Amino acid sequence: AQTVTQSQPEMSVQEAETVTLSCTYDTSESDYYLFWYKQPPSRQMILVIRQEAYKQQNATENRFSVNFQKAAKSFSLKISDSQLGDAAMYFCAYRRGGAGGTSYGKLTFGQGTILTVHP
Amino acid sequence: EAQVTQNPRYLITVTGKKLTVTCSQNMNHEYMSWYRQDPGLGLRQIYYSMNVEVTDKGDVPEGYKVSRKEKRNFPLILESPSPNQTSLYFCASSPLPLQSSEQYFGPGTRLTVT
Repeated sequence: AQTVTQSQPEMSVQEAETVTLSCTYDTSESDYYLFWYKQPPSRQMILVIRQEAYKQQNATENRFSVNFQKAAKSFSLKISDSQLGDAAMYFCAYRRGGAGGTSYGKLTFGQGTILTVHP
Repeated sequence: EAQVTQNPRYLITVTGKKLTVTCSQNMNHEYMSWYRQDPGLGLRQIYYSMNVEVTDKGDVPEGYKVSRKEKRNFPLILESPSPNQTSLYFCASSPLPLQSSEQYFGPGTRLTVT
């Protein structure tokens, strides 16, 4: 079974600084997708960034970028120029690729990392 | 506006009193799913549905039922709730094929079972 581990329960950063959230995963699949979700106090789940395993290039979305190390099964999220609105719980998630089959579409989540942004 | 809605948003109930949490999406998505979120455990899938009348168990299905009679609705039923089902519940939907498609989450339902 696939597992996702976020080893940092809490992280903090100063406004305008850079912070990196860690995520490791375990899978025997070769086709899969990785995601980072943000959950602010409103509890809404917001997709921050996604990475297809077959793509070597690291995904980037504005101030958010990932460091995808496929061999090491590592998928960290870097937030640059941190803003107060970035304060939230961040979840790393895995989903296998392919079409159909048991647990198709299931997102496997890590435990979450609470990010605090200090002004 | 494209969205997933859940009702109720908050619910306090007692052990054994049957309840239903509704989920509806207006995006004509085939795939729908329920997750529960617990501290230190992240989100875990309860049930999912690939289309009308097609449902299957996720990782933590015990104590829950679902139905998919219409494409837009995917209610979660707790026949006899117990305190260990106190949790934050999310419904999600996505078009098929999934590929890298985003799953759209509802706003969450906070359930407390006393």
